[in-house]
Parts: sequence; C-alpha cells; structure tokens
Amino acid sequence: GQQVMQIPQYQHVQEGEDFTTYCNSSTTLSNIQWYKQRPGGHPVFLIQLVKSGEVKKQKRLTFQFGEAKKNSSLHITATQTTDVGTYFCAGPYTGANSKLTFGKGITLSVRP
Amino acid sequence: NAGVTQTPKFQVLKTGQSMTLQCAQDMNHNSMYWYRQDPGMGLRLIYYSASEGTTDKGEVPNGYNVSRLNKREFSLRLESAAPSQTSVYFCASTLKGREAKNIQYFGAGTRLSVL
Repeated sequence: GQQVMQIPQYQHVQEGEDFTTYCNSSTTLSNIQWYKQRPGGHPVFLIQLVKSGEVKKQKRLTFQFGEAKKNSSLHITATQTTDVGTYFCAGPYTGANSKLTFGKGITLSVRP
Repeated sequence: NAGVTQTPKFQVLKTGQSMTLQCAQDMNHNSMYWYRQDPGMGLRLIYYSASEGTTDKGEVPNGYNVSRLNKREFSLRLESAAPSQTSVYFCASTLKGREAKNIQYFGAGTRLSVL
C-alpha cells in the first residue's frame, strides 16, 4: 500500500542552528501537507504543496515539493525553542483525496 | 467556533470494559476520522466517515466500532477494551473538495489507558 516515510524520527539541534527534514512517498502524490504537533497537543495544519517543484515559506520555515511529486522537505532557519514538536507530512490516499496517509513524524528538540 | 471537540480528555479503563469516545465538529465538514497515536507509530487511521451515513475501515479497525450519528458527530466505541488499546485518540474532520484543500482539523485528543 501507499507509504509516506519520514526518517529519522528524532532530531536534536542547538538553538540557532538550521534544521532540514525530508518526507518520501512510495507513490506520486497530487499534493502534500505538513502538520505540526506541539508536545501534549494535537496536529495542526501548516501548509499544502500542490505543484511540482513548489516552494513556500512561512517566516523561518521553507517547504518544498519535489519535481517528481514523490518527496518533500521542510527547512527551518535558525531554530528557536518555539519550533519544538513533531512535524508530520501527509499525502492523500490514491483515489480518495479526503483520506490522508501520515508519515510517522519527526520529533524536533531544541537545546537553548 | 469550537472546531473539533472530543470527550473525554482522559480515561482509565479496566480490561474488558467498554466505552465510547465522542467527537463533534461545528464547521459543517463532510468527512470525519478517528486516529490513534502511539510512540514511534505516527497517526494511524482507525475508521473514517466520508459523509453522513457512511463509515469505512481504516488501517487499524480491529476492536473498534464507529457511528456517524449525524453530520456533526462521529463516535468511536471500544466494546471490550484491551491493554493494546492504550493510546491517544484523535478525531479529525475535513471539508471535501478542491477549494477546501482537504485540510484536516484535529480535536485535542483523548488519552486512554487500559489496565
């Protein structure tokens, strides 16, 4: 079945360092979404990418969709303690766009 | 708007007990979902309801049943709880369609322990 993979599952960075994580799909995606879950909280939608090669920025966060629409990246510039949490990518199930397949997420910790 | 509301927030059950997790959304969304989240496993879909009156199994449906009571409410029932069902349960909803982008909105979660 369709798989969305995020490796590694944990990453620790020093505050101020840059951070990049990747998401890979076993199939071509019509779009990809990113969510953030703060510790003890619930997933919250961050962004959706639709076009091949699309790049979107939200302040210090940069999201990119691969040319083949099978992978995506999230880059955080100069991490802050507010960036702590788990970041999930998700793609729609083939043929059923309202369902999403979530990656296992990457949990980011930031040392002050 | 409250968004997606889940009750209860916490629950402790004994093995074999039954309970129903409640979920309601006030955003007039078509589709609703139940996920469980376990350490290292991400979000796994238990059941979903594409629209009022329909329900379908997700990735991990065994041991659960659901009811789409109306457009607003989607409940998850554990008939005979097992320790393997200890988890955090999230309900989510989405408004289907291209304009809506199928963004999922999550409730705050129910933290369930089965002893």
